Amino acid sequence: QVQLVQSGAEVKKPGASVRISCKASGYTFISYYIQWVRQAPGRGLEWMGIINPGGGFTTFAQKFQDRVAMTRDTSTTTIYMELNSLRSDDTAMYYCAKVNGWSADSWGQGTLISVSS
Amino acid sequence: QSALTQPPSASGSPGQSVTISCTGTSSDVGGYNYVSWYQQHPGKAPKLIIFEVSKRPSGVPDRFSGSKSGNTASLTVSGLQAEDEADYYCSSYAGSNTLVFGGGTKLTVL
Repeated sequence: QVQLVQSGAEVKKPGASVRISCKASGYTFISYYIQWVRQAPGRGLEWMGIINPGGGFTTFAQKFQDRVAMTRDTSTTTIYMELNSLRSDDTAMYYCAKVNGWSADSWGQGTLISVSS
Repeated sequence: QSALTQPPSASGSPGQSVTISCTGTSSDVGGYNYVSWYQQHPGKAPKLIIFEVSKRPSGVPDRFSGSKSGNTASLTVSGLQAEDEADYYCSSYAGSNTLVFGGGTKLTVL
């Protein structure tokens, strides 16, 4: 069965960077895009961007374009999302999700990132 | 890339039907048949319940249905059950490999 397993929670200071991993299994890794979505406490879902694991091509939401990177390692079927210049309002649960026909049909368990001085 | 517009809350009694709207523009909802709906219970990851406007993934009850007219998509939950109480989010493809979510609707089963 499809599984997306994300790395554990982290606490960061403002200005730092964070890298979250998302290990995929149970399907052909290069055949489906992976998107990243975040959810601040008590708030809605926010789309951050998407990566094509086949070619590594990425597209980001305008809001994050200057400080986000998404990469993949096909040998370990793992996707990485790095967010730089962290601020307190980046405190959120971050999800990776497998995209099938522009719908997210499988989701990771989420990674809580807390940004605090 | 503005968020799609959803009502913040909706409610209904068990057995009733409730419809949640999701309004976008001709650049997203109105321009593509790639509207999805997600159900999220507290502390859980979202779950896909409708894709491509009106299709249901395997295992999703047929009490959940989706439709679209112009720039507005809708999710209808028929025969409300207690376990339907959750947050619901719409999402649409918005061109150029981008997606956009709605602000979410909290559904309360009275």
